[in-house]
Amino acid sequence: ETGVTQTPRHLVMGMTNKKSLKCEQHLGHNAMYWYKQSAKKPLELMFVYNFKEQTENNSVPSRFSPECPNSSHLFLHLHTLQPEDSALYLCASSRGERSTDTQYFGPGTRLTVL
Amino acid sequence: GEDVEQSLFLSVREGDSSVINCTYTDSSSTYLYWYKQEPGAGLQLLTYIFSNMDMKQDQRLTVLLNKKDKHLSLRIADTQTGDSAIYFCAESFGSGGGADGLTFGKGTHLIIQP
Repeated sequence: ETGVTQTPRHLVMGMTNKKSLKCEQHLGHNAMYWYKQSAKKPLELMFVYNFKEQTENNSVPSRFSPECPNSSHLFLHLHTLQPEDSALYLCASSRGERSTDTQYFGPGTRLTVL
Repeated sequence: GEDVEQSLFLSVREGDSSVINCTYTDSSSTYLYWYKQEPGAGLQLLTYIFSNMDMKQDQRLTVLLNKKDKHLSLRIADTQTGDSAIYFCAESFGSGGGADGLTFGKGTHLIIQP
C-alpha cells in the first residue's frame, strides 16, 4: 500500500459512454498526476496538478478531462473514447514542494474501450 | 522532447547480479529514477540519482551514471525470485516548480531463472 488508491480497478466502456476514474491520496501531498501506460508505448505523463492548479497538460486530447477539487482527490472524466485509449491509467502524488519529491503511484485503473 | 531507452528483457540466474541499462537524451541537469512494477501493482520507487553524481549505493542496489554518455545502470546484487518485475528508468521533465512530470522508458522485464 502506497497511500494512493484508485477506483475502479477495472473498467470496460463503449465509445459513446461517459465514465470517471477516481484517485485519492492519504499522504498529505499537494501534487497529483495522471499517467497512461499502454502496451505499445512508454508510460506517458498526462496531467499535473499542484495545490489544485493544473500545471501540466501533456497535449492530451480533450476527450480526457481532469478535475482536482482538492489536494487529496483527482478525477479523470472520460467521454467519446477510442479503442486505442485502452490502457492502464496510473495516478501518482508527491509533496509538491520540489520537483524532485518522490512520486507515489496507485495501482492503476485498467480501462478497456470497446 | 526527452527520450529514455531501455532493453525490453533481461534474464539472470538466481543469486547472480542483474544489470539493467538505460540511456537518456536530455542534457540539462536532472534527476534520474529507477522504478519497479510487479504484476497488478503500481510503480514503486527504488532509488534516484542526481545528474552530478556518478554512483549511488543502497543495500543490494547500485546506480551508476555516465553523464558524458547519458547512460544509467541499475545493478541488483544477489538477485532473488522476488526481484522479478518490470524495471523502469525515468527522467524528470525539468520544467521546474514543485511538481515535475517524469519521462519513462518502456521498462525492462527482469526474468529470474532458478
